Amino acid sequence: AQSVTQLGSHVSVSEGALVLLRCNYSSSVPPYLFWYVQYPNQGLQLLLKYTTGATLVKGINGFEAEFKKSETSFHLTKPSAHMSDAAEYFCAVSDPHQAGTALIFGKGTTLSVSS
Amino acid sequence: KAGVTQTPRYLIKTRGQQVTLSCSPISGHRSVSWYQQTPGQGLQFLFEYFSETQRNKGNFPGRFSGRQFSNSRSEMNVSTLELGDSALYLCASSLEGRSTDTQYFGPGTRLTVL
Repeated sequence: AQSVTQLGSHVSVSEGALVLLRCNYSSSVPPYLFWYVQYPNQGLQLLLKYTTGATLVKGINGFEAEFKKSETSFHLTKPSAHMSDAAEYFCAVSDPHQAGTALIFGKGTTLSVSS
Repeated sequence: KAGVTQTPRYLIKTRGQQVTLSCSPISGHRSVSWYQQTPGQGLQFLFEYFSETQRNKGNFPGRFSGRQFSNSRSEMNVSTLELGDSALYLCASSLEGRSTDTQYFGPGTRLTVL
């Protein structure tokens, strides 16, 4: 069975600092990987995804993530945090061998940005 | 294009009642998935509908059911509500329902069971 682990339920950074949110997956085959962001009282918005091809994926709002098969990781980074980045971030996986869109989510990481 | 819409946005019910939540996907999207979000369990997949057929189902009791109409709109129903069903219910749509597809989420329906 697939699972997703997000290390750190809460990460705090200063404005302008590097953002690093960690995600590791457990799966018998490399899954498709997604990062979503959720702002208060809103649904989820896709930041980026990895399906095939280049392992360094660039997303919206300056975020990027790198798929590392040997480490079963898909960590999310942003070089310089902005106050508007404060939100909850979810890593998710889907099964390449299963029809359909079922996502398995990590528990989420709340990002706080201080001035 | 309009985004995914969910109605109602907030709902208060009492134990034992049943509830129906509605989701209208983005125009042209054929797949609709439902997720339950709670502070304790996080985001959990409920089920997915594609072309009016349930294609996948998560690990939830039979009290949770859904359906999809020919216009891709979807409803989910929870019967015999329990306190633990209090949650944010999110609906997501995707174009072709492939595992690589981007899912677009609605704002959710906040269900409170008293």
